[in-house]
Amino acid sequence: AQTIHQWPVAEIKAVGSPLSLGCTIKGKSSPNLYWYWQATGGTLQQLFYSITVGQVESVVQLNLSASRPKDDQFILSTEKLLLSHSGFYLCAWSLARTYEQYFGPGTRLTVL
Amino acid sequence: GEQVEQRPPHLSVREGDSAVITCTYTDPNSYYFFWYKQEPGASLQLLMKVFSSTEINEGQGFTVLLNKKDKRLSLNLTAAHPGDSAAYFCAVSAAGYQNFYFGKGTSLTVIP
Repeated sequence: AQTIHQWPVAEIKAVGSPLSLGCTIKGKSSPNLYWYWQATGGTLQQLFYSITVGQVESVVQLNLSASRPKDDQFILSTEKLLLSHSGFYLCAWSLARTYEQYFGPGTRLTVL
Repeated sequence: GEQVEQRPPHLSVREGDSAVITCTYTDPNSYYFFWYKQEPGASLQLLMKVFSSTEINEGQGFTVLLNKKDKRLSLNLTAAHPGDSAAYFCAVSAAGYQNFYFGKGTSLTVIP
């Protein structure tokens, strides 16, 4: 069975500090991977998606970047956090031709 | 791009009553439709997927209706119970695209 793991579970960071969030998928070969940001209050915004290793497409610009160094790994990062980066970051996966996305447990980020 | 409007933002019903959440979308090329449930502090759980060839789908205690002519998608919880209290999100995707467009969510409270 497939599992999706995100790390860390929660993070408290200072404005201007760097950030790296990770996501791994086990049990699925060559999944499509996604990063989402959920603001306090609930709105979900798709940030990035990746169809294959080394290829990442940006959906919105929020001073964040993403990389896919391995087939089962997706990384979200920034060199300088802003207050507006606070929120809930969700990783998701899907398979080509099925479209439904399955979400990881999420990382709660607080920027002070 | 696609615009998804979800109504109502908040909904409170008594146990045993029905609850209806509706999403309208703008892109006639949208082909895949999903409903997700998010319990407080948790990730998103896929409830139901509806494709353009399907108009009605029934799950455990709920019905999903798709009206492509009106570009409307609805989730009907037939006899709500306190365990249904959560946020519900619709999501829309067009065939061949990796972009997922979410509604802003509905916070459902079921009063015992």
